[in-house]
Amino acid sequence: KAGVTQTPRYLIKTRGQQVTLSCSPISGHRSVSWYQQTPGQGLQFLFEYFSETQRNKGNFPGRFSGRQFSNSRSEMNVSTLELGDSALYLCASSPEWASYEQYFGPGTRLTVT
Amino acid sequence: SQQGEEDPQALSIQEGENATMNCSYKTSINNLQWYRQNSGRGLVHLILIRSNEREKHSGRLRVTLDTSKKSSSLLITASRAADTASYFCATDARTGTASKLTFGTGTRLQVTL
Repeated sequence: KAGVTQTPRYLIKTRGQQVTLSCSPISGHRSVSWYQQTPGQGLQFLFEYFSETQRNKGNFPGRFSGRQFSNSRSEMNVSTLELGDSALYLCASSPEWASYEQYFGPGTRLTVT
Repeated sequence: SQQGEEDPQALSIQEGENATMNCSYKTSINNLQWYRQNSGRGLVHLILIRSNEREKHSGRLRVTLDTSKKSSSLLITASRAADTASYFCATDARTGTASKLTFGTGTRLQVTL
């Protein structure tokens, strides 16, 4: 099976802009979770989607949003970018519960200037 | 916020030696997992130990779990240069139908020849 894919791999945006990141889970996986990783805060949970519904959400401002499509592909959007949003954004998929083994994609490196 | 705190933050050993890293967490868990991350890339699942298990092995990996002390340890035996990576523990904070993994701060392992 193909692994989790994330596009784009690298992205440079300017403060105030918005960005959309995409994640394609492993075929058959219905749960997709998103994480933000920064040197200062480490790995932080953003949200989890299951069957097109947001099942859980982390402590991030409303500028961070996401969605999942019927084919389980997921997108996350960050509006009004801030310098502090520069991070590695990781997507992970799992067959059912996100709290069981997760399969991670390579991540999208977002730099906000 | 981080559920798990890992110790040490960084560890440097020679090839062939054993590496031990520890993880402490704060709340009751359903399971605890260990992941590896090579520099700036996605995470790879190593092993999952359930709350009713005390020890688990997988190849050169040995994981212990002490729920009374809310701590876990990961032992890598006969380390290799290829084991150089960051290692994270993650705890299952599932409540009802919501599920997520909360990651620790990570241990950076350097294995030198």
